[in-house]
Amino acid sequence: SYELTQPPSVSVSPGQTASITCSGDILRDKYASWYQQKPGQSPILVISQNNKRPSGIPERFSGSNSGNTATLTISGTQAMDEADYYCQAWDSRTAVFGGGTKLTVL
Amino acid sequence: QLHLQESGPGLVKTSETLSLTCTVAADSIIISSYHWDWIRQPPGKGLEWIGTFYYIGSTYYSPSLKNRVIISVDMSKHSFSLKLNSVTAADTAVYYCARRYTDSFDPWGQGTLVTVSS
Repeated sequence: SYELTQPPSVSVSPGQTASITCSGDILRDKYASWYQQKPGQSPILVISQNNKRPSGIPERFSGSNSGNTATLTISGTQAMDEADYYCQAWDSRTAVFGGGTKLTVL
Repeated sequence: QLHLQESGPGLVKTSETLSLTCTVAADSIIISSYHWDWIRQPPGKGLEWIGTFYYIGSTYYSPSLKNRVIISVDMSKHSFSLKLNSVTAADTAVYYCARRYTDSFDPWGQGTLVTVSS
């Protein structure tokens, strides 16, 4: 089975750019999605199809996918962006999630 | 905006069957147009995909759970359900239902915690 690997934690200062990576062979030819999850809440979709922002997601969230690595970038990070972030892709008919990255805004 | 709501027992005994329902606040045409999925999250851990249902009867399950899980839809009740049998403590988790939109899950239900205990 395929795996998606994320760093357990990323720290960023307010106003700076945060980058969260997701690595896995399935990303070479599959779309990556990204979800934000705050404590006690359900995940919400912040990036679909590698780089598409759903309605209502701030422009500071962007995504890319190159080779076997997808990246979620948060420009001008705000305190409200502190959360767990999960990447996700499809391996044939099976959804695969990364292990999650805790973003801390210091 | 589409709204999903999970419901079911919060406590299930070891070796019994976990049964949850996800009610979709939408017309039947909406339900028949998308895949509907279940995803779970053990306390303090990451997300795990359980499986998906498409109204024409297509179902796909996680390889690790496929021998114990059934997902089905009740169009008349605008809902879809999850049944997971022979549960153990390892099945304790918050269970989410979600709509699959293109290759992503959006939206998600609020989630329901199911604890497995003897």
